[in-house]
Amino acid sequence: QKEVEQDPGPLSVPEGAIVSLNCTYSNSAFQYFMWYRQYSRKGPELLMYTYSSGNKEDGRFTAQVDKSSKYISLFIRDSQPSDSATYLCAMSFGAGGGNKLTFGTGTQLKVEL
Amino acid sequence: ETGVTQSPTHLIKTRGQQVTLRCSSQSGHNTVSWYQQALGQGPQFIFQYYREEENGRGNFPPRFSGLQFPNYSSELNVNALELDDSALYLCASSPEADTQYFGPGTRLTVL
Repeated sequence: QKEVEQDPGPLSVPEGAIVSLNCTYSNSAFQYFMWYRQYSRKGPELLMYTYSSGNKEDGRFTAQVDKSSKYISLFIRDSQPSDSATYLCAMSFGAGGGNKLTFGTGTQLKVEL
Repeated sequence: ETGVTQSPTHLIKTRGQQVTLRCSSQSGHNTVSWYQQALGQGPQFIFQYYREEENGRGNFPPRFSGLQFPNYSSELNVNALELDDSALYLCASSPEADTQYFGPGTRLTVL
């Protein structure tokens, strides 16, 4: 069993929809949680970075962490065709760049006109 | 823009050859990590360097090795290439107390 599970999709939604992306994990030692967006054949781009349980909002994006359920989510409001990409969840045991990131497989999202 | 650059963009090698991939980080980013991303998968941690010393390694064989230089550049070397080494190789750099910022990657094809 993988440490981080993520539905690979693809997920197809109409423009303007609210998108919900999720990951589950098995290791309760994970403390820091990230969401990256990756366009085809490009490097991952950091979207959200959160510590422990709770919510964090940035523009159209909201990240939620529920450590008791080992479950994290990313919500995208008013989705746009430019949001079409693969979304990767990642997590680490400690803060900062000195900790390896463990990734999910990524969910492919397509926002259609 | 993350300020992390990688070269080359694409590379084709044959099985058994050796390859060197390069990464240039932002000034002040003392930590650099390398990841391998196979098609349809998430990135897998290869190793990390901090102030030119290896600071952690994932489940990769010794034929994967690296270097970090004082000018915030680094290298990933892979010897005795195998077909399964075909992947996108990502470099990520970080300041002291922040998460990791990725470069665009080098796509390696092993024939």
